[in-house]
Amino acid sequence: SQTIHQWPATLVQPVGSPLSLECTVEGTSNPNLYWYRQAAGRGLQLLFYSVGIGQISSEVPQNLSASRPQDRQFILSSKKLLLSDSGFYLCACDTSGRKDNEQFFGPGTRLTVL
Amino acid sequence: DQQVKQNSPSLSVQEGRISILNCDYTNSMFDYFLWYKKYPAEGPTFLISISSIKDKNEDGRFTVFLNKSAKHLSLHIVPSQPGDSAVYFCAASAFDDYKLSFGAGTTVTVRA
Repeated sequence: SQTIHQWPATLVQPVGSPLSLECTVEGTSNPNLYWYRQAAGRGLQLLFYSVGIGQISSEVPQNLSASRPQDRQFILSSKKLLLSDSGFYLCACDTSGRKDNEQFFGPGTRLTVL
Repeated sequence: DQQVKQNSPSLSVQEGRISILNCDYTNSMFDYFLWYKKYPAEGPTFLISISSIKDKNEDGRFTVFLNKSAKHLSLHIVPSQPGDSAVYFCAASAFDDYKLSFGAGTTVTVRA
């Protein structure tokens, strides 16, 4: 079964600093990969998804970007963080071709921008 | 625009009683629905799902009901246990679409 690793687990960054969050997946190949953000008191907002290496789709306009340099690696980045970027960031995957679209989530990264 | 809505942000229920969580959706193309459970500081975990060709799916203490005409689904947990205290997210996907649309979540607290 799939295992998703995310690091770091927690991060405190000043406004205007860069960001790099990493997600790696084990136990499957050619997964669809997703970045979500859960802001305080809100649901899960899809930020980016990728169906293959180098293929990134953005769901919302923002100062964040994503990259997929390898099949099972997904990176979330920012050049300059904003206060509004604070939240709980979750990486998820599902297996291409599954009809049931069940997604598996990583443990998340708690980002606080001060 | 929120296509999946969970209008009750919180629910408190006594241990042993039934918990009923509700979810409404607006996109008529949705044909698969899932419930996820999330503990604080952890990623969500899959709980139960239902396809639009069914109106009920049961797995142990968890049952999901789907009313397509009303665009409404509900999750029943019976009997509720203290370990069920968590945030529950409703999610939906359209045919041939990888993406899930999530509701805002309902925080369930099971009282001893």
